[in-house]
Amino acid sequence: QKEVEQNSGPLSVPEGAIASLNCTYSDRGSQSFFWYRQYSGKSPELIMFIYSNGDKEDGRFTAQLNKASQYVSLLIRDSQPSDSATYLCAVDREKLTFGTGTRLTIIP
Amino acid sequence: DAEITQSPRHKITETGRQVTLACHQTWNHNNMFWYRQDLGHGLRLIHYSYGVHDTNKGEVSDGYSVSRSNTEDLPLTLESAASSQTSVYFCASAEGRTNEKLFFGSGTQLSVL
Repeated sequence: QKEVEQNSGPLSVPEGAIASLNCTYSDRGSQSFFWYRQYSGKSPELIMFIYSNGDKEDGRFTAQLNKASQYVSLLIRDSQPSDSATYLCAVDREKLTFGTGTRLTIIP
Repeated sequence: DAEITQSPRHKITETGRQVTLACHQTWNHNNMFWYRQDLGHGLRLIHYSYGVHDTNKGEVSDGYSVSRSNTEDLPLTLESAASSQTSVYFCASAEGRTNEKLFFGSGTQLSVL
């Protein structure tokens, strides 16, 4: 079992809809959880982080964490074409471990 | 503005050659990391450093080495390049050990022929 698992996609979402990205992790001792966005040919950039169970909102982005079920998700409201990218889930136990990413395409 | 730069952006080399990829950051971060990114594997940690003269192996360190002689630089050396090391390499730095926010360089595309 991979330490951090994501559906590779592609995930296609109409413009203006909610995009939902999911990630599961295997290490119950993980403490910190991150979402990075990576545009094609570019480097990853951090968009959200969450430490506690529940929801954390930042603009159009909401990160959700459920430690009991070992999953973390990212919701993007009012999706825009500029949100088309690969989204990487990362989990920190002692070092940061990345998932393989989900490719998201927003359809105008 | 503070930044992290990698060079070269693209490199083609031959099997068996030694290659060094440069990484320079002006954030004054103690923590620096090297990752490789391959289809189907995501970002995998090669080596990392928590300060000058400190280096540690990541999950895919075989065939790679790093040295940290100052805060700003963490060069990555491929001792004898292999075709399996063809990849995109990212350097990153962070202020804290919890890696709260990694700042990534723009990457180096390395092809080993």
